Amino acid sequence: KQEVTQIPAALSVPEGENLVLNCSFTDSAIYNLQWFRQDPGKGLTSLLLIQSSQREQTSGRLNASLDKSSGRSTLYIAASQPGDSATYLCADINNNDMRFGAGTRLTVKP
Amino acid sequence: DTAVSQTPKYLVTQMGNDKSIKCEQNLGHDTMYWYKQDSKKFLKIMFSYNNKELIINETVPNRFSPKSPDKAHLNLHINSLELGDSAVYFCASSQDRWQGALSYGYTFGSGTRLTVV
Repeated sequence: KQEVTQIPAALSVPEGENLVLNCSFTDSAIYNLQWFRQDPGKGLTSLLLIQSSQREQTSGRLNASLDKSSGRSTLYIAASQPGDSATYLCADINNNDMRFGAGTRLTVKP
Repeated sequence: DTAVSQTPKYLVTQMGNDKSIKCEQNLGHDTMYWYKQDSKKFLKIMFSYNNKELIINETVPNRFSPKSPDKAHLNLHINSLELGDSAVYFCASSQDRWQGALSYGYTFGSGTRLTVV
């Protein structure tokens, strides 16, 4: 059974710093992967989707990569801003079902 | 606020009752979904509607019936509630016509915690 782990559980950085969030899988047979953002009291919003044939996706200051051989994905955030403060979750997608990690709570200090 | 909103956030009810959970999205998405949180951090898809048309209907008891009055709304009605129905239910929407969970712009509501006593 697939288990998804996210490290670190919480991260605090000063504004402007580049940072990396990590997501790892026990079963490297990852089908597709999404990174989500969750603001307090709100639902999840998809940030980046990496389909099975892809290795990375970029959107603005965000870059997500997927290395199936090692069962890992990273979310890189460049030039972090206080507005990036949120919880970030990765999810393995298999036949429309989603298995999530516990998330990384990011705080970007002004 | 553009979002997917679910009501109520919490629902406690007795066995045998009939209840509904409402979901609305103002993102202009064509596709909406209902998921059940099967265990911690695992969301299992139940239903999906595209522009009011049912396109996914997973194996769930027929006591669960989705209703989509328009493409911005997808409500979940549950008849004769059972103890095992207790769970968190999530509504979601996406912008693609049909890529399922591979759609871009996937947005979830904050969930409805249903407790059947």
